[in-house]
Amino acid sequence: KQEVTQIPAALSVPEGENLVLNCSFTDSAIYNLQWFRQDPGKGLTSLLLIQSSQREQTSGRLNASLDKSSGRSTLYIAASQPGDSATYLCAVKIIDGSNYKLTFGKGTLLTVNP
Amino acid sequence: GAGVSQTPSNKVTEKGKYVELRCDPISGHTALYWYRQSLGQGPEFLIYFQGTGAADDSGLPNDRFFAVRPEGSVSTLKIQRTERGDSAVYLCASSLGQGAYNEQFFGPGTRLTVL
Repeated sequence: KQEVTQIPAALSVPEGENLVLNCSFTDSAIYNLQWFRQDPGKGLTSLLLIQSSQREQTSGRLNASLDKSSGRSTLYIAASQPGDSATYLCAVKIIDGSNYKLTFGKGTLLTVNP
Repeated sequence: GAGVSQTPSNKVTEKGKYVELRCDPISGHTALYWYRQSLGQGPEFLIYFQGTGAADDSGLPNDRFFAVRPEGSVSTLKIQRTERGDSAVYLCASSLGQGAYNEQFFGPGTRLTVL
């Protein structure tokens, strides 16, 4: 059974710092990996999606990498801002029987202090 | 519509009551998913529809939970005899199809509180 782990569970940094969030998964047979942002009481906003054949994706100050063979992904946030404060979730797409499913980690709660 | 919408945004009910949660997917999306997110946890898969039929309901926790999508668009998640442990955020997502490369788009969720 695929398991997704995110470390750390919570992170607090001063504004302007660069930071890295980690995601690991137990089964490397994934189709893609996706990073989401979730603000308190809100739904999920997709940040970056990396296909299994890709190594990284970039969007603005965000860079996500994928090492499928080792079961790891990192989300790098450059020059963090208070508006980046949110929970960041990692999810992998797997096939279960004949259906594709997302398996999520528990998330990292990020606080960026002004 | 522009995105996935869910109603109500918040629902407070008493133990033992029946509730319905609604999801409006993105127009044209044939695949629809329900997830449940308990406090401090990631979303967990409940059920997946392809068109009108439930293609995979393996995530439904027990027979108190049921979902329908009669016309292949709007879906309703129904919970009978609610229990305090059902309190969670229920998320809906839709995608263009169910292929490996189809991205799921999430709604804002319904926060269910069972007193």
